[in-house]
Amino acid sequence: GENVEQHPSTLSVQEGDSAVIKCTYSDSASNYFPWYKQELGKGPQLIIDIRSNVGEKKDQRIAVTLNKTAKHFSLHITETQPEDSAVYFCAASRSGYALNFGKGTSLLVTP
Amino acid sequence: DGGITQSPKYLFRKEGQNVTLSCEQNLNHDAMYWYRQDPGQGLRLIYYSQIVNDFQKGDIAEGYSVSREKKESFPLTVTSAQKNPTAFYLCASFGTGREKLFFGSGTQLSVL
Repeated sequence: GENVEQHPSTLSVQEGDSAVIKCTYSDSASNYFPWYKQELGKGPQLIIDIRSNVGEKKDQRIAVTLNKTAKHFSLHITETQPEDSAVYFCAASRSGYALNFGKGTSLLVTP
Repeated sequence: DGGITQSPKYLFRKEGQNVTLSCEQNLNHDAMYWYRQDPGQGLRLIYYSQIVNDFQKGDIAEGYSVSREKKESFPLTVTSAQKNPTAFYLCASFGTGREKLFFGSGTQLSVL
């Protein structure tokens, strides 16, 4: 089955800096790659996703890149703000199958 | 206001007791999922259902049971066979067409 590895497990950046979280996947048939943000005591919220026919997608300060050949994808957050502090999860799946999640990255943005 | 509702938010289980976690959605989604989340771990799939009256085991189904009698509802029972039930449980639904997975707010289960 699919195996998703996520790094780093913790990340601390200063407000205004950029943050990058990386994930790798094992199943070359995976074609859907979402990113979730989870605040303490809440359910994960979908923040951005990308499909295998696209190499990059951007939504304001958040962007995701996908390298199908290397089987890795990354989340980029620019101009970080304290409210970006949360746990971020990547996931991967092929059509019709359940998502497989990475173990999460705890991001801390310090003022 | 459409969404996924999980209840209760906090639940306590005594030794040897079965407890049931509720999950309701009004998004008209066909597929529903239960995940377990432990500190420092990712989300692990317990059970999922693609359609009413049908469900499949996920990666960690032992000690859990589910039912899917209605499209809107997918309750999870944590049985006494689950020896380490303390965790944060998340229900999710996945709508075909939009193809995005949406989560409820979770239930924290603890053992007394």
